[in-house]
Amino acid sequence: DAGVIQSPRHEVTEMGQEVTLRCKPISGHDYLFWYRQTMMRGLELLIYFNNNVPIDDSGMPEDRFSAKMPNASFSTLKIQPSEPRDSAVYFCASSQGPDRNSNQPQHFGDGTRLSIL
Amino acid sequence: QKEVEQNSGPLSVPEGAIASLNCTYSDRVSQSFFWYRQYSGKSPELIMSIYSNGDKEDGRFTAQLNKASQYVSLLIRDSQPSDSATYLCAVSIRGGFKTIFGAGTRLFVKA
Repeated sequence: DAGVIQSPRHEVTEMGQEVTLRCKPISGHDYLFWYRQTMMRGLELLIYFNNNVPIDDSGMPEDRFSAKMPNASFSTLKIQPSEPRDSAVYFCASSQGPDRNSNQPQHFGDGTRLSIL
Repeated sequence: QKEVEQNSGPLSVPEGAIASLNCTYSDRVSQSFFWYRQYSGKSPELIMSIYSNGDKEDGRFTAQLNKASQYVSLLIRDSQPSDSATYLCAVSIRGGFKTIFGAGTRLFVKA
């Protein structure tokens, strides 16, 4: 089975440019999560979707960040304009819905390593 | 207080020993608990899920959950150098689907 697929794997761009990260979740998974990982702050949840609807975006750092999920097999995370402090590894993860009030584990993509110069 | 706390380590154990990794969480309503392993430069990979008090064993790994003490641990028996990685504790908080990750514990297994 194909896992979570993210693209690009690496992105280097200049400050002020728009950055778009892409994610294809595992087929049949109802939940999709976007995380950011840095040495200083660890793995932070940015936003998550259930059945393509954003449920909690309280982790999105500021208005420069936006995420969409137009259909069950595709999501994007956009940063516009990008800043050097956005440099991090961005992970997308997906999971099935809860089973008898117990959450299912999340499966992570390989991540996008983003560097803003 | 952080919602999910782990000792950052590094924890160093000799090959063949038992490695014990600990995690505490602040939200009493939490119901779902996970341990992930992350090798340097790679993505987190699920090792264990645990939902009920007590122990859950899977091969060389045992997860232990104590909801009264808000404590979850991971034991790795017969540690191997290939177990050297960062181990992340994850907790679904407030009974919902939002999952908070601890900062991770770095484990080194010396050959």
